[in-house]
Amino acid sequence: DTAVSQTPKYLVTQMGNDKSIKCEQNLGHDTMYWYKQDSKKFLKIMFSYNNKELIINETVPNRFSPKSPDKAHLNLHINSLELGDSAVYFCASSQQGPVGELFFGEGSRLTVL
Amino acid sequence: GIQVEQSPPDLILQEGANSTLRCNFSDSVNNLQWFHQNPWGQLINLFYIPSGTKQNGRLSATTVATERYSLLYISSSQTTDSGVYFCAVVASGGSYIPTFGRGTSLIVHP
Repeated sequence: DTAVSQTPKYLVTQMGNDKSIKCEQNLGHDTMYWYKQDSKKFLKIMFSYNNKELIINETVPNRFSPKSPDKAHLNLHINSLELGDSAVYFCASSQQGPVGELFFGEGSRLTVL
Repeated sequence: GIQVEQSPPDLILQEGANSTLRCNFSDSVNNLQWFHQNPWGQLINLFYIPSGTKQNGRLSATTVATERYSLLYISSSQTTDSGVYFCAVVASGGSYIPTFGRGTSLIVHP
């Protein structure tokens, strides 16, 4: 039973398209995150939600919009995809906010052609 | 924000060798974790260790919070240890952003 699950795992699309990645956690955690891992493996936080409220919003283009319908779900919608958006996107969750232990999903590899 | 530096950036070992990976951070922290990203890209939790020492099989970790560093020890390395090891910290006070180092890439040859 996967603790943090993301769908889809692979996404190949054309420039200019809009796409979404979904994330669900069944750990009962109150905080969820989106991280982007670039080609050099650097993991950079994009967003964090605590109990459905946005608490961290790093310098990310407005084309990226997170949505948290409830505390177990955090989805990422990307408009007008660009070549530079190609990366692996990881969802994570923790209890007690950022001081709690982080648990990651398996990642969603986005390729923009 | 807090700076996290990991060393060495790359490490190549023969199976059976021991190694020490280091994570230095620039500010006091209230959370520190070590992760292993395996060749399939999965991020696996190794240790949640804001301070003190922990051991799990062939792996152990020590964080000396007052001196702002953490060490990950891998003993009797196996090919399955290959991958990238990341340290992630959350600074005490401030923005509470979990911040990752750039990782140590480990290759273990049979």
